[in-house]
Amino acid sequence: GENVEQHPSTLSVQEGDSAVIKCTYSDSASNYFPWYKQELGKRPQLIIDIRSNVGEKKDQRIAVTLNKTAKHFSLHITETQPEDSAVYFCAVSNSGYALNFGKGTSLLVTP
Amino acid sequence: GAVVSQHPSWVICKSGTSVKIECRSLDFQATTMFWYRQFPKQSLMLMATSNEGSKATYEQGVEKDKFLINHASLTLSTLTVTSAHPEDSSFYICSVTPNIQYFGAGTRLSVL
Repeated sequence: GENVEQHPSTLSVQEGDSAVIKCTYSDSASNYFPWYKQELGKRPQLIIDIRSNVGEKKDQRIAVTLNKTAKHFSLHITETQPEDSAVYFCAVSNSGYALNFGKGTSLLVTP
Repeated sequence: GAVVSQHPSWVICKSGTSVKIECRSLDFQATTMFWYRQFPKQSLMLMATSNEGSKATYEQGVEKDKFLINHASLTLSTLTVTSAHPEDSSFYICSVTPNIQYFGAGTRLSVL
C-alpha cells in the first residue's frame, strides 16, 4: 500500500519567517495531494491541494510544489503568523479513494 | 462543496456498552463514505470504506465485528463501536468525496 513520510514532526519559526514541510510517497499511481491544517479537537481543514498534472500551486501565503518523478511534495507558508500554529498533515490518494495521511507536523509560530 | 454532519460530537460511555456514530451527507448523494480514527497526537488512519447498499471494506487490523458500519442510504452511514473498551477511546471522523474529501466535525469517544 501507499507509504507517506512527512518531515519534520515539529517545526518552530519566528513570526514573519517561512515554514516548509515535506512529504514523500511511494505509489506512483497517486494523483491527488492535499494539505490539511488541524487545530486541537477539530476536523482537518483543507488549506491547499495539487493534482499530478500540476507542478506548483499558490494561494496567497501558501504554496505547494509537487515533484512526481521524485515522488515528493512540499508545503510552503510565507510570512508566518501566530495563527498559523497548528498541526499540518499531508495526504495522498488516487482521486475518489481514501486518503493516506502523513504523521503530521506540529508548527509553532512565535511572536 | 459537500456538507457533512456528524453526531454526536462527544460521547462518554462505560466499558462494554455500544456507541453509534452517524455521518450524514446533507447535500451530496454519497455512494461511498470513509471512516477514520485519530488517536491523541497521531495522524488520521483509515478504518473502513462504507459502501451504500453493500458491505463495508475494512482496513487491515480493524475488526469488522467490533466496528459495525451500515450505509443504508445515499446520505447516511453509521459506525457502531460494539462492546467499547478504554483502548477504543479516540477521535472518529467520517468523510465524503464528491471530488475532494469533506470531513465531518468528528466524534470524540471516551470509554471509561
